[in-house]
Amino acid sequence: RKEVEQDPGPFNVPEGATVAFNCTYSNSASQSFFWYRQDCRKEPKLLMSVYSSGNEDGRFTAQLNRASQYISLLIRDSKLSDSATYLCVVNPMDSSYKLIFGSGTRLLVRP
Amino acid sequence: DGGITQSPKYLFRKEGQNVTLSCEQNLNHDAMYWYRQDPGQGLRLIYYSQIVNDFQKGDIAEGYSVSREKKESFPLTVTSAQKNPTAFYLCASSTPATSGDQETQYFGPGTRLLVL
Repeated sequence: RKEVEQDPGPFNVPEGATVAFNCTYSNSASQSFFWYRQDCRKEPKLLMSVYSSGNEDGRFTAQLNRASQYISLLIRDSKLSDSATYLCVVNPMDSSYKLIFGSGTRLLVRP
Repeated sequence: DGGITQSPKYLFRKEGQNVTLSCEQNLNHDAMYWYRQDPGQGLRLIYYSQIVNDFQKGDIAEGYSVSREKKESFPLTVTSAQKNPTAFYLCASSTPATSGDQETQYFGPGTRLLVL
C-alpha cells in the first residue's frame, strides 16, 4: 500500500461546478497535512495546510478525517484557472524533514 | 524579492558525464531539499540538509551527491552512476515549525535533465 494515495483523475468539470478530491494516508501517527497545486511543467506551490478542525480559504475547503485516515479538498465555483494537478502531502512526523507526496489528482475545468 | 532559484532550467547530459544543478535561496531558511519527479509519480526525496555543513540521504540518493557549504546554496550533482537521470528536479527549502504553524516547504522552479 502506498503511503499516500490519490485518484489520478482526470476530473473533468464545467466552470462553476463543485469538485472534491480525497487522499488517504497509511501512517496513523501523521500530524501535518497539506495540499499543493502543480501546474503543467511547473513547481508545486502550497495551496493550503490542513488543520484538524478543517479550514477554508475562499473557494477552497480542506478537511481531515483521522479515524478514516483521509484528507479532502473541496473546490467550489470552479474556474478555468483551477485546472492543475493537486498534490496531497503528508508529514509522517517520524522526523521533521520528510514529506510524503501523493502522485496527484488532475483537474480539468472546461468552459 | 525572496525566493528559491534553480539553474539551469534545462540541462542535457551525455553518457558518463557528471552534471551539477544549482539551487539558491534568500529566504534565510535552514533546511533545504532535493526531489526528483518522474511523469505520473509523486516527488521522491534525494537528499536533504537541515543545517550548513550537514546533509542526509533521502530515499533515492544513489548516483547523486550534494554539498552545503553555505546556508543559501545546496547544489546537486548527478553522477554517471545514476543510470536513469532523466527527470524533473526540484529544490525546496523550509523554515522550522513554530507554535501553531506547520513546517512548510517552498519549491524552486525546477530543472529538467535530459540524457542525450
